[in-house]
Amino acid sequence: AQSVSQHNHHVILSEAASLELGCNYSYGGTVNLFWYVQYPGQHLQLLLKYFSGDPLVKGIKGFEAEFIKSKFSFNLRKPSVQWSDTAEYFCAVSPSYSSASKIIFGSGTRLSIRP
Amino acid sequence: KAGVTQTPRYLIKTRGQQVTLSCSPISGHRSVSWYQQTPGQGLQFLFEYFSETQRNKGNFPGRFSGRQFSNSRSEMNVSTLELGDSALYLCASSLDRDVEQFFGPGTRLTVL
Repeated sequence: AQSVSQHNHHVILSEAASLELGCNYSYGGTVNLFWYVQYPGQHLQLLLKYFSGDPLVKGIKGFEAEFIKSKFSFNLRKPSVQWSDTAEYFCAVSPSYSSASKIIFGSGTRLSIRP
Repeated sequence: KAGVTQTPRYLIKTRGQQVTLSCSPISGHRSVSWYQQTPGQGLQFLFEYFSETQRNKGNFPGRFSGRQFSNSRSEMNVSTLELGDSALYLCASSLDRDVEQFFGPGTRLTVL
């Protein structure tokens, strides 16, 4: 069965620091990969997604993620965080060519940015 | 284009009662999925409906049920509420067989 691990439950950074949130998945076949963000009091929004092609994916608000197939990883990065990036971040994976309901979410990483 | 809407936004119920939550997907989306979000368990998949049929179901007891109407609006029902059902219930919609989902704001259910 597929699974997603986000090892950092809570990350605290100062503004302008660089960010990397880890995500590892377990699945034997080809996958689609996602990062979602949930800002305080707001609903989940898609940050970026990987279906195929260039393993370096650029998303909204300056975020990017790199798919490393050999490591089963899809880490999220941002070179310089802002206070407004304070949110909870969820990594998710689904088998390629599957329906929406086959998506599995990680437990989330809470990011707190000190102004 | 209007986003996914969920009503009500907040609910307080007592143990043993039942509750019905509603979700209106983005216009043109025919797939609606429901998730339970709790601090300890994260997002857990409840079920997915497509064209009024339940297409997939997660690992939840039969007290959790749902349905979808011909206009793609969906309802979720929880009977005989338990304290552990307190959670944020999220609805997400997507196009046919498209895994990119769009989430609603959720319904915060508190069971006392």
